[in-house]
Amino acid sequence: AQKVTQAQTEISVVEKEDVTLDCVYETRDTTYYLFWYKQPPSGELVFLIRRNSFDEQNEISGRYSWNFQKSTSSFNFTITASQVVDSAVYFCALSEWGSQGNLIFGKGTKLSVKP
Amino acid sequence: EAEVAQSPRYKITEKSQAVAFWCDPISGHATLYWYRQILGQGPELLVQFQDESVVDDSQLPKDRFSAERLKGVDSTLKIQPAELGDSAMYLCASSPSREMAYEQYFGPGTRLTVT
Repeated sequence: AQKVTQAQTEISVVEKEDVTLDCVYETRDTTYYLFWYKQPPSGELVFLIRRNSFDEQNEISGRYSWNFQKSTSSFNFTITASQVVDSAVYFCALSEWGSQGNLIFGKGTKLSVKP
Repeated sequence: EAEVAQSPRYKITEKSQAVAFWCDPISGHATLYWYRQILGQGPELLVQFQDESVVDDSQLPKDRFSAERLKGVDSTLKIQPAELGDSAMYLCASSPSREMAYEQYFGPGTRLTVT
């Protein structure tokens, strides 16, 4: 069965601190996709990144970086030098190739960045 | 940039009333998804359409929920009668095809409050 676990319910940091959001997934498929989304208080889901299961290369985009490790079934997200605008709920999600589109989301991690 | 449109953005209704939400996917996208997001949880798929056909409604509470996409373009999700537990964010997404389900674009959502 497919499952996404975000063990951190809430994280609070002070501006400019680095913060890592954890994501652990379960799947039986060898082909799958992993995602991170940001949901600000306004409610819309903002797409951040997609990774397929064959690409374990870490990715950096500005202050954001992602660490994908198949050996530990983890896809962690790090924000460097956090800013108040990073405050939001962040969701990790999984889509198995065979599921034809069913995105399985974790319960989300609420990040609060204080000035 | 093309976007998924949803209306209304906010809806307050009394329990036992009927309520409907509308979604207009990105032009040319064959696959349309409705998700429900209960407060504090990640989104969960309710129904998936391929053109005008339902391909997955296994999580749709069919005694009170219905969804249609008559011409394979825009879609309507209806709840009748609404219950207090239906209070949630209802998100619509679209993708070019089921095979490209990893490329889902989300609309801004409809936040439903049932009183």
